[in-house]
Amino acid sequence: DVKVTQSSRYLVKRTGEKVFLECVQDMDHENMFWYRQDPGLGLRLIYFSYDVKMKEKGDIPEGYSVSREKKERFSLILESASTNQTSMYLCASSFNRGYIQYFGAGTRLSVL
Amino acid sequence: GEDVEQSLFLSVREGDSSVINCTYTDSSSTYLYWYKQEPGAGLQLLTYIFSNMDMKQDQRLTVLLNKKDKHLSLRIADTQTGDSAIYFCAEITYSGAGSYQLTFGKGTKLSVIP
Repeated sequence: DVKVTQSSRYLVKRTGEKVFLECVQDMDHENMFWYRQDPGLGLRLIYFSYDVKMKEKGDIPEGYSVSREKKERFSLILESASTNQTSMYLCASSFNRGYIQYFGAGTRLSVL
Repeated sequence: GEDVEQSLFLSVREGDSSVINCTYTDSSSTYLYWYKQEPGAGLQLLTYIFSNMDMKQDQRLTVLLNKKDKHLSLRIADTQTGDSAIYFCAEITYSGAGSYQLTFGKGTKLSVIP
């Protein structure tokens, strides 16, 4: 079974803090994705990566950056957290250029 | 840009069939998907259909695809309380330079009444 693990289920941070959300997959997938999920807005793609050290912007990259130093790990970074970044963050990975994506359990981030 | 539309809520009685509908815009989508999200959890791939198919059946799940109308539906037979969840429709779109991404609908919350 594919396993996508997000390091935290719940996180509470203060405005202005630097926040790291970590995601690890164990299936040697080339592709990894970060989404945020908000009520009434569905899932929106923040960033994705098709290879180590490679990243591409999704639909809503503003206020976020990413890091992919190793194939199995994809980190989402909030350089200076703001209250409008309070959300559920979902990581996914896939083989085959994203045809089938497998999701982690999500990290619910609250920025106070 | 591409957009995927689905109704936000559906309520059915236990034992009845549920039908969740979705419309998509990218006629070149090769795959269309249904994902399920239970409360507090991530998304679980339920099923997917290749664009050259009209129908796919998997136990209690039936997916129907009407390419002409760009309409996708998910039918759950004999709906159980454990089927209560949010169901997301998604299409795959080409984002350039050989890469693809999924575009999701906003999700349909299915409530099953005992």
